[in-house]
Amino acid sequence: EADIYQTPRYLVIGTGKKITLECSQTMGHDKMYWYQQDPGMELHLIHYSYGVNSTEKGDLSSESTVSRIRTEHFPLTLESARPSHTSQYLCASKGDFTGELFFGEGSRLTVL
Amino acid sequence: AQSVTQLDSQVPVFEEAPVELRCNYSSSVSVYLFWYVQYPNQGLQLLLKYLSGSTLVKGINGFEAEFNKSQTSFHLRKPSVHISDTAEYFCAIGTSYDKVIFGPGTSLSVIP
Repeated sequence: EADIYQTPRYLVIGTGKKITLECSQTMGHDKMYWYQQDPGMELHLIHYSYGVNSTEKGDLSSESTVSRIRTEHFPLTLESARPSHTSQYLCASKGDFTGELFFGEGSRLTVL
Repeated sequence: AQSVTQLDSQVPVFEEAPVELRCNYSSSVSVYLFWYVQYPNQGLQLLLKYLSGSTLVKGINGFEAEFNKSQTSFHLRKPSVHISDTAEYFCAIGTSYDKVIFGPGTSLSVIP
């Protein structure tokens, strides 16, 4: 069973607020990822990390930022949320030997 | 560059009938192949994966898929579906255990 957790599951906030989506995994995986998924739509990679102090932009441009200070923790931050940021954000980590991605349950963000 | 195509965006099927969800990919290098399932308001869960060896891969919940290198396909099948199989299904490829590229998804609706 995968051990990767995201909080909050649901968040409704006003425009201009700063938000941080938390993602933690207890599997010791070095590689972690953030995907953005609009309802009924495909997943788009927005950030990834290969380990502590490593962060890279993904294929879809995003105004969010990430940090990786500890192996188990990969938070995503929006400095000033806008309605266009309304989406579901999925965090994942990857096992080194199987290539399998383990996903959290997602954080559904609504910006009013 | 790599890409994944899922030809059917929506597949309705009656309960206990067989189903096939199609997936084709494009890549200039060898790939690893995955099928993930996403139930409403949840993250993605691995159904099955092909890394090497036998081209017929069996997964959880009675699903199986066959890798066809000449046709660059990895179609997902189940001989008899249940109501609980209603979900979004994503085909994905990975080339170096780092990035994983997802298809647009197929929404499977099982009709009682």
